[in-house]
Amino acid sequence: KAGVTQTPRYLIKTRGQQVTLSCSPISGHRSVSWYQQTPGQGLQFLFEYFSETQRNKGNFPGRFSGRQFSNSRSEMNVSTLELGDSALYLCASGRTDPRGELFFGEGSRLTVL
Amino acid sequence: GQQVMQIPQYQHVQEGEDFTTYCNSSTTLSNIQWYKQRPGGHPVFLIQLVKSGEVKKQKRLTFQFGEAKKNSSLHITATQTTDVGTYFCAGPWSTDKLIFGTGTRLQVFP
Repeated sequence: KAGVTQTPRYLIKTRGQQVTLSCSPISGHRSVSWYQQTPGQGLQFLFEYFSETQRNKGNFPGRFSGRQFSNSRSEMNVSTLELGDSALYLCASGRTDPRGELFFGEGSRLTVL
Repeated sequence: GQQVMQIPQYQHVQEGEDFTTYCNSSTTLSNIQWYKQRPGGHPVFLIQLVKSGEVKKQKRLTFQFGEAKKNSSLHITATQTTDVGTYFCAGPWSTDKLIFGTGTRLQVFP
C-alpha cells in the first residue's frame, strides 16, 4: 500500500510570491490534515479536509488555504509569502475519525527568501 | 486555548540508560497518541491510549495514560542509538482536531 505522497519536496520562493503544495493520501483514506513544523513552534495544525469539505481549521491567517478533490488528494496554498512562512509543511492522511491515527508524508520544505 | 506541554524539551542519555518523557494537558482527553520523528524524517505513529490508567508496552517502550486522562508518559528502557529522535504526544484537545505537544528530543550517545 503506497504511503502519503507530498510534492514538491523542496522549494524556494521569495517574499510576496505564492506557493501550492500537493498531497496524495493513502488509498481509501478520506481525511487529509496539514501541519506546519518549525523549530520554534513545533507542529502547528493548519486545517483538515474530509470528503472535499474543510472540517477543522487552525489559527492561521487567511493567506493559508486549502482544498480537497473528489479523489481525496489535497492542496494547500500560501499567498503573499512572508519570511516566517519558511517551514516544513506536513500532510497527514487519516481514515474517518479526525481524532484517529495519522499517517504523515515526508513533507514539503519551503524556504522563503 | 489548549496547552500541551511536554517535558523535558531535550534529553541526552548514554546508551543503555532509561528515558522518560511526560505530556501534560490542561483539559481531559478522550485519547492520547504518541509519535516519533527521526532527524530529517516525518512523524510516525507509535500508539494510542484510550482508557484511564491504561498502560501499553511495545518491546522497550512503555506508554501510560493518567487516571484523570490529563497526562501521559513514554518510558524507554535501556535506550539504543536507534531511539534517537523527537517524541511527540498528540491529542484531540478541542472538538475534532489532533493537537501535538511540544515534543521531547532524545539524543543517545554510544
